[in-house]
Amino acid sequence: ETGVTQTPRHLVMGMTNKKSLKCEQHLGHNAMYWYKQSAKKPLELMFVYSLEERVENNSVPSRFSPECPNSSHLFLHLHTLQPEDSALYLCASSVGTGGGYEQYFGPGTRLTVT
Amino acid sequence: TQLLEQSPQFLSIQEGENLTVYCNSSSVFSSLQWYRQEPGEGPVLLVTVVTGGEVKKLKRLTFQFGDARKDSSLHITAAQPGDTGLYLCAGVGYNTDKLIFGTGTRLQVFP
Repeated sequence: ETGVTQTPRHLVMGMTNKKSLKCEQHLGHNAMYWYKQSAKKPLELMFVYSLEERVENNSVPSRFSPECPNSSHLFLHLHTLQPEDSALYLCASSVGTGGGYEQYFGPGTRLTVT
Repeated sequence: TQLLEQSPQFLSIQEGENLTVYCNSSSVFSSLQWYRQEPGEGPVLLVTVVTGGEVKKLKRLTFQFGDARKDSSLHITAAQPGDTGLYLCAGVGYNTDKLIFGTGTRLQVFP
């Protein structure tokens, strides 16, 4: 595997379910990100991790819980989501967390909350 | 709050036509990136512009950073169906060092 991979690619869940999104990067990068991409809205940064430490949390509701066990893996744990949380969730990685670093994105997980 | 507005939001053209996409803000950015996102994939970086007035070319794509580093444009010459996708600009805040994404331009090129 190369680059940034995400699983699952598609997920349908009820509002009472608990699920997790997984991201893995094979680039040796130190920073990892979760973004939310909704129709008609700019890409929204959710969380930033640098060397497994969370360095940014952009006012994301607590029903989204990130986990970074090591610099190659990033999870987003989901519970009691709302229909408006339906979106494409993108994971990205970069060499460092400075804004000028190129971010490498995974293909995303298309989440539908019913 | 720094905002990056892109125009147009949607663009549907025939193969061979030329087009320009704009990325505008009232804020100054230390650099600006352009990404293309194809259906079912994540965004992929096309170019980074750093100096005010800078012009970069990538085959049929020409990118320009505004003199005041508040805006940028992407011009595509003789568009091809393979250019279809969502084009995103992203600016690095001059004082924040954070990457802010634009609203996006969805381009469809018909053969």
